[in-house]
Parts: sequence; structure tokens; C-alpha cells
Amino acid sequence: GNSVTQMEGPVTLSEEAFLTINCTYTATGYPSLFWYVQYPGEGLQLLLKATKADDKGSNKGFEATYRKETTSFHLEKGSVQVSDSAVYFCALSDPDTGRRALTFGSGTRLQVQP
Amino acid sequence: ETGVTQSPTHLIKTRGQQVTLRCSSQSGHNTVSWYQQALGQGPQFIFQYYREEENGRGNFPPRFSGLQFPNYSSELNVNALELDDSALYLCASSPHISSYEQYFGPGTRLTVT
Repeated sequence: GNSVTQMEGPVTLSEEAFLTINCTYTATGYPSLFWYVQYPGEGLQLLLKATKADDKGSNKGFEATYRKETTSFHLEKGSVQVSDSAVYFCALSDPDTGRRALTFGSGTRLQVQP
Repeated sequence: ETGVTQSPTHLIKTRGQQVTLRCSSQSGHNTVSWYQQALGQGPQFIFQYYREEENGRGNFPPRFSGLQFPNYSSELNVNALELDDSALYLCASSPHISSYEQYFGPGTRLTVT
């Protein structure tokens, strides 16, 4: 079945540091890939997406590139801020059925210190 | 534009009881999905509804059931509650059945004692 593996957290960085959160996936077919962010006490917000190989998703300074050859979708940001502190989830869509259910990783908590 | 809303925010139930959670989709969205998020875990897909019909189900027992209404709002019902049902329940709506994008509500925190 489909699965997503994320690096374990928490990831603790100082403000303006470079961020990488690793994500790899297993899927049949060609899934779409997503990063969602969850701030404390809130639901999930779509951060960025990529729907085919070599696509780069970007939003709010975050980027991730769909790498089919390595089945990866690592999240990066050049300079993190305290306000980026949250839990980040990598997810993929269900490529083989009519429904668009999402399969999520277990999440990576990011803590940014001033 | 109103986003996805869920009610109640929190509730506490006793093992063996039944619970109903409610979700209002984002305006114009006709597809709704439900997810269970255990503490410290990623959300797990429960089921999806489109045009008032179940359109796919994850690995959850039949005591988890749902409804979608003509106005696209939705309910999640859980019978015979177990302690392991304690979780954050998230509703997500999509603009149409073929859309990959899902917009999540803030969730309902269910505690089963």
C-alpha cells in the first residue's frame, strides 16, 4: 500500500537557519505530493503541492521538488522564522482510485528559536 | 468565503457510548473527507463522501459511519466508542471529486474515558 516516511522531530533551529525536512514515499502509480502545516490548536493548512515528477512546489519561502527517481519530496526553506514553528506533514494522494484520499506521514515538529 | 467549520470543538464520552461530529464544507465544495489524527501521529483517512454517497473508505470498522446532506455538510458517527477512538477528528472539503486539494477544518477533539 501507499506510505509516507518523514524524518523524526523535533527539529530545533535558530532564526534565519536553513531548513530541510526529509520525506520519502512508497506508492503504486504516480501520486501527487503535498506538504501540510499544522499550527498549535489548528487544523491542517496546505503549504505546497506537486502533481508530477520534477515539479517544484513553493509557497511562503518553502520549496519542495518531486523526485521520482528517489521517491522523495523534501521540504526546504532558506531562512526560517519563529512564526514557522509548527508541525509539518508530508502527504500523497491515492493515485489509483477515483477518490483523492490523502496518506500522511507522522509529522515533523519544527521549533525555531529567536 | 467561509472555510470549513466543525462542531463541537471538544467533547468527552464514555466507552460504549455513541457520538456524532459535524462539519460544514467550504462554500462551493461538494466533496468531504474525514480523518482521524491520534496524538503525535499523522491523520488517517476514514472515508469520503460525494453527492451524499460514500466514495471510498479507509481501514476503519463499520461502527464508523457518515452522512452527507444536500447542502454538502456532513456528519461522522461513531458507535460503541472505545478508548482508542480518542483523537482529533478532521473534516476536509474539496471543490470537486477529482480535485487533489483538500481544505481542513480545525477538528473536533474527542476524549473517550
